[in-house]
Amino acid sequence: DQQVKQNSPSLSVQEGRISILNCDYTNSMFDYFLWYKKYPAEGPTFLISISSIKDKNEDGRFTVFLNKSAKHLSLHIVPSQPGDSAVYFCAGRDNYGQNFVFGPGTRLSVLP
Amino acid sequence: NAGVMQNPRHLVRRRGQEARLRCSPMKGHSHVYWYRQLPEEGLKFMVYLQKENIIDESGMPKERFSAEFPKEGPSILRIQQVVRGDSAAYFCASSTRQDIEQFFGPGTRLTVL
Repeated sequence: DQQVKQNSPSLSVQEGRISILNCDYTNSMFDYFLWYKKYPAEGPTFLISISSIKDKNEDGRFTVFLNKSAKHLSLHIVPSQPGDSAVYFCAGRDNYGQNFVFGPGTRLSVLP
Repeated sequence: NAGVMQNPRHLVRRRGQEARLRCSPMKGHSHVYWYRQLPEEGLKFMVYLQKENIIDESGMPKERFSAEFPKEGPSILRIQQVVRGDSAAYFCASSTRQDIEQFFGPGTRLTVL
C-alpha cells in the first residue's frame, strides 16, 4: 500500500527551463509535506516543506504547491540548473503518526 | 556545527554475521529516525527513537532487527544474522522535535556477501 506516489521515475529538463516534479498521496490525514533532494552516495537534504493549511510555499527558485482536494503536490524549480540534477523525494506525515512516509523518488536531469 | 554522522559509511558482512550501524544526531537533536533504501526504491521508515525510548518501530522487521538510543552515545541499529536481502543503504535522520524537518546523515551502505 503505497501512500505516497511519484509516478515519474525520471525527468529531463533543459537548463533555464522549469522543472515540475509531481507527487500524489492517498492518506487524507497527512498534514505536513516535505521535499528532499538526494545526490548519489549522500544522504537526502531538506529542500522545502508545506503545511496542509497552505496551498503554496516558495523559497527562492523552489515552490511547492499543494492541492488537498486532489491529494496532489508539486515542486517547481525555476530556472533549473545543472546542479539541480538529483533524485527528489516527496514525503508526507499524518497528524496521528510520528514519522514521514516517503515516495519512491524522481530522478531529475538538468541538461546544459 | 557538525551534521548527522553515521559510521561506518560502508560495511561488508557475510551471511549470518551481525551488523552494527551507528548514528550521532546533530547537536541538540533528541529525535532519531532510521530509514532503509533498497536498490531502486525510496526510503522506508524503520524506527523512531528518543533518548532511551523507542517511540515507533512499526517499520522494523519483526526478527533480527533492533535499535536503541541510549542516554549517552550514538543511536545503534543492530541487525543479527544478516541475509543478502539486508543489503541496502541505511540512513539516520534527526530532528529537534518530531514535527519538523529531519536532517539526514550520509548513510551506511551494507553489503551482505
